[in-house]
Amino acid sequence: EDQVTQSPEALRLQEGESSSLNCSYTVSGLRGLFWYRQDPGKGPEFLFTLYSAGEEKEKERLKATLTKKESFLHITAPKPEDSATYLCASPVGFKTIFGAGTRLFVKA
Amino acid sequence: NAGVTQTPKFRVLKTGQSMTLLCAQDMNHEYMYWYRQDPGMGLRLIHYSVGEGTTAKGEVPDGYNVSRLKKQNFLLGLESAAPSQTSVYFCASSYGAGGRSGELFFGEGSRLTVL
Repeated sequence: EDQVTQSPEALRLQEGESSSLNCSYTVSGLRGLFWYRQDPGKGPEFLFTLYSAGEEKEKERLKATLTKKESFLHITAPKPEDSATYLCASPVGFKTIFGAGTRLFVKA
Repeated sequence: NAGVTQTPKFRVLKTGQSMTLLCAQDMNHEYMYWYRQDPGMGLRLIHYSVGEGTTAKGEVPDGYNVSRLKKQNFLLGLESAAPSQTSVYFCASSYGAGGRSGELFFGEGSRLTVL
């Protein structure tokens, strides 16, 4: 069964404390691993797409990496404005399936 | 540029009432989707459409119907609302399904409460 699983469910960090979010996937014929950011009361917004193992993409304090079974979202020296829910997702056929998300809280 | 617009943003219904959520996109996207989001369960696909006049069932279609009469609009209907349909509903659209055209563009969400 095609599946995307995220961990941890929630992560609390101090400002400047770097960490990583995990997304493990079992999807046949991967056509991209997507990361989205969702702020409270808003719809998800696209961050990155990764296509092949070893690929990395960066945006400000965020770096996404991909292996054959997992993707990681590394957050370096986070700030309070990085607090949000981070979702990973993958297309399956005509659909996109999502993980349950990781809620990140960054305290000043 | 409006992107994806959902109406209404909030609605309270009584059990058994019916309603329609409207999603409109101005990006000329072929693909449109309705998801529901519940605490701890992530986004679950209700129905989707791969083009004007087409619809298909997603992961949790029971109790919902959809229509895509115009390319830019995707309607989600609840014929007889139940408390289990209390949720936040998100519409999304994309150029394609996966790959470099698979990025989803989301609306702001519609919060529905069924009493």
